[in-house]
Amino acid sequence: DAGVTQSPTHLIKTRGQQVTLRCSPKSGHDTVSWYQQALGQGPQFIFQYYEEEERQRGNFPDRFSGHQFPNYSSELNVNALLLGDSALYLCASSDLGGLGNDEQFFGPGTRLTVL
Amino acid sequence: AQSVTQPDIHITVSEGASLELRCNYSYGATPYLFWYVQSPGQGLQLLLKYFSGDTLVQGIKGFEAEFKRSQSSFNLRKPSVHWSDAAEYFCAVGANGAGSSNTGKLIFGQGTTLQVKP
Repeated sequence: DAGVTQSPTHLIKTRGQQVTLRCSPKSGHDTVSWYQQALGQGPQFIFQYYEEEERQRGNFPDRFSGHQFPNYSSELNVNALLLGDSALYLCASSDLGGLGNDEQFFGPGTRLTVL
Repeated sequence: AQSVTQPDIHITVSEGASLELRCNYSYGATPYLFWYVQSPGQGLQLLLKYFSGDTLVQGIKGFEAEFKRSQSSFNLRKPSVHWSDAAEYFCAVGANGAGSSNTGKLIFGQGTTLQVKP
């Protein structure tokens, strides 16, 4: 089992550009959550996808959007990049199946640098 | 609003010494509580979790944590620290939805960096 995988590992963009990050959940998991971790901070919840729909969302602007595919993999899109979007973006998967207490497994993250 | 506070940003202990990392939470109902560890360049690994029942929770790598409702705390402990324990530690609370179930949204503290002296 490969666990949660994310691509790319690192990414450098300039202000105003758009970026797409990808996540493949752990085998058997149906729910994907995305977190932003700025340097020296704890991760902050962006949104969560279940059954190809955004199930809940944190306090992030509409520039942050996502998608979940039928195979449960997910993408995070960020438009009109700002310097402040530079961070480690973490994907976590779980088998919530709606509501539950299952553990979330985190991927290694994508390091995004905006210049 | 739910929140997590880790009062210690950086802690240094000697190898073999005991360790306690503090975590305080703000939440109205019974919280779901977690401790994660993050090594450089790695994702987050779950050390232990508390949902209900026994307030002393055992985790991986010899870690344990105790839930104290009266103090709104969930401190992480280890009796003897190893050099490989040097990492960033995060306490998190699970946001509850309808029926007090865990919705999967985690609220993290700022983290505590653990340095281990030889």
